[in-house]
Amino acid sequence: EDQVTQSPEALRLQEGESSSLNCSYTVSGLRGLFWYRQDPGKGPEFLFTLYSAGEEKEKERLKATLTKKESFLHITAPKPEDSATYLCAVQPGGFQKLVFGTGTRLLVSP
Amino acid sequence: DVKVTQSSRYLVKRTGEKVFLECVQDMDHENMFWYRQDPGLGLRLIYFSYDVKMKEKGDIPEGYSVSREKKERFSLILESASTNQTSMYLCASSLGTGPSGDIQYFGAGTRLSVL
Repeated sequence: EDQVTQSPEALRLQEGESSSLNCSYTVSGLRGLFWYRQDPGKGPEFLFTLYSAGEEKEKERLKATLTKKESFLHITAPKPEDSATYLCAVQPGGFQKLVFGTGTRLLVSP
Repeated sequence: DVKVTQSSRYLVKRTGEKVFLECVQDMDHENMFWYRQDPGLGLRLIYFSYDVKMKEKGDIPEGYSVSREKKERFSLILESASTNQTSMYLCASSLGTGPSGDIQYFGAGTRLSVL
């Protein structure tokens, strides 16, 4: 069964305090791994797609990496506006659907 | 920019009512999806459609049906609403082909309460 586990469930950081979010997965033939950001009361917003182990992508203070078993979302020198829930999802090979984790709630305090 | 529009942000319905949730995308995407999101359970796929009038069951289709009569519109139907269908419902679409074809773009969500 395809499964995604995200940790920690919640994370509180001070502004400027770098950290990483983890996404562990088991999937039958990974087609892609996706990171989304979700603000309260809104739909998820696409951040990154990673397709193969060793791949990395960056956007502003965020950097996503991928291995054969997990992905990390590194947040460098976060700001309060980075506070959100970050969702990880995998796409099994041959399918269009995504399987989501339950997310990490990030709170960045000034 | 891709725009996925859900017709209602908030809905309150009575048990047993038939409920329609509407979703429209403006980017000629092939695939459309309906998820529900519950605390501690994450997003779970209800149904998806890969072409007009084509549909596939997701992981939790019981109690729901869908309709896709036009490419841009995908409707979720609760045949007889029950209290355990109180949830946030999210619609998404994806192009379906090409290097970015698997990226799903989401609407703002409909928070449904069934009383």
